[in-house]
Amino acid sequence: KAGVTQTPRYLIKTRGQQVTLSCSPISGHRSVSWYQQTPGQGLQFLFEYFSETQRNKGNFPGRFSGRQFSNSRSEMNVSTLELGDSALYLCASSGTGTGTHETQYFGPGTRLLVL
Amino acid sequence: GIQVEQSPPDLILQEGANSTLRCNFSDSVNNLQWFHQNPWGQLINLFYIPSGTKQNGRLSATTVATERYSLLYISSSQTTDSGVYFCAVGLISNFGNEKLTFGTGTRLTIIP
Repeated sequence: KAGVTQTPRYLIKTRGQQVTLSCSPISGHRSVSWYQQTPGQGLQFLFEYFSETQRNKGNFPGRFSGRQFSNSRSEMNVSTLELGDSALYLCASSGTGTGTHETQYFGPGTRLLVL
Repeated sequence: GIQVEQSPPDLILQEGANSTLRCNFSDSVNNLQWFHQNPWGQLINLFYIPSGTKQNGRLSATTVATERYSLLYISSSQTTDSGVYFCAVGLISNFGNEKLTFGTGTRLTIIP
């Protein structure tokens, strides 16, 4: 099976712009989670989607949003970018989402640099 | 929320040495995973181990859920073991997978 894929892998934006990141989960997986990793804050949970519905959300401002499509692919959007949004954004998928053996598998990440 | 502490924060070892990494968590969990983050940022699954002991080659892990800690053992270290090791915990609800809370990691450096 192919792993979790994320596009783009690298991105440079300027303050005030918006950005959309994409994540394709492992085939058959229905749950997609997003995490932000920065040197100062470590790995922090952004949100989780299952069957096109956001089930769980972390403590991030409303500038961070996401969605999931019927094929389980997910996108996250950050509007009005700030310098502090520079980070590695990681996407993870897990299987059935029913609560049994929910190992999360991570993609390679998207490195976002905001200038 | 759940607090996750990992120790030691940094570990430098000679190739061939053994190591033990510890993860303490503040509340009951039913999801605990160990990850290795390589230099390119990829998080590689090592173990899904909410309780008990598992082994995979030179790596093994033990979680004592009642005492809220987990240990990752690496034997006969190789330079390719270098990187950051994360412990992540969470609660799986009836609605499915909850968020993972990550520790701050242990940076392991293996010297040839």
